[in-house]
Amino acid sequence: DQQVKQNSPSLSVQEGRISILNCDYTNSMFDYFLWYKKYPAEGPTFLISISSIKDKNEDGRFTVFLNKSAKHLSLHIVPSQPGDSAVYFCAARGNRDDKIIFGKGTRLHILP
Amino acid sequence: NAGVMQNPRHLVRRRGQEARLRCSPMKGHSHVYWYRQLPEEGLKFMVYLQKENIIDESGMPKERFSAEFPKEGPSILRIQQVVRGDSAAYFCASSSSGTSGGEQFFGPGTRLTVL
Repeated sequence: DQQVKQNSPSLSVQEGRISILNCDYTNSMFDYFLWYKKYPAEGPTFLISISSIKDKNEDGRFTVFLNKSAKHLSLHIVPSQPGDSAVYFCAARGNRDDKIIFGKGTRLHILP
Repeated sequence: NAGVMQNPRHLVRRRGQEARLRCSPMKGHSHVYWYRQLPEEGLKFMVYLQKENIIDESGMPKERFSAEFPKEGPSILRIQQVVRGDSAAYFCASSSSGTSGGEQFFGPGTRLTVL
């Protein structure tokens, strides 16, 4: 039972353009959503998060949008840079919950 | 380096041996989480510990796996009688608080290979 779904295993985007990574979830009890970035042979690094009471959170080139009615969130990276090439994990946690539930990840390739 | 430390980074074991994975949380963090990542999968929660206490072990396999976080020293994830299916990357994370939304910071992981 995949509670957090990232349906695109990979995505290729031209440098300088916008990268949009999508994520769907099934558990309406989730109230906090996170995006992690992971390079090979390293642990995940926290990128940006959003609380369920908001619909948008922006941090520099990264913006996360949350559509609660659709149980969907997306991460926008603009402009995309070569260093953005990595695996991006969408994750969620519930209120009063300790564990983070991860999606399977989307591998982003930024093309020169 | 004040980040989460894990050792060893790579561990090779033969079937039936024991594997011990260590995690030192960030300075000032008293909450430790262990996750496992199988090939082509996302990270799966295993266990959440505070000093000397297991808070949530709902993701731990019922047999052969155990975890501890003693008053002194690192957290240990122990796998007894390893099997090939235990081959995975094991990540530890730490936070300064638990259910109040404290951010979890991840270590570099231990890659376990079972021959």
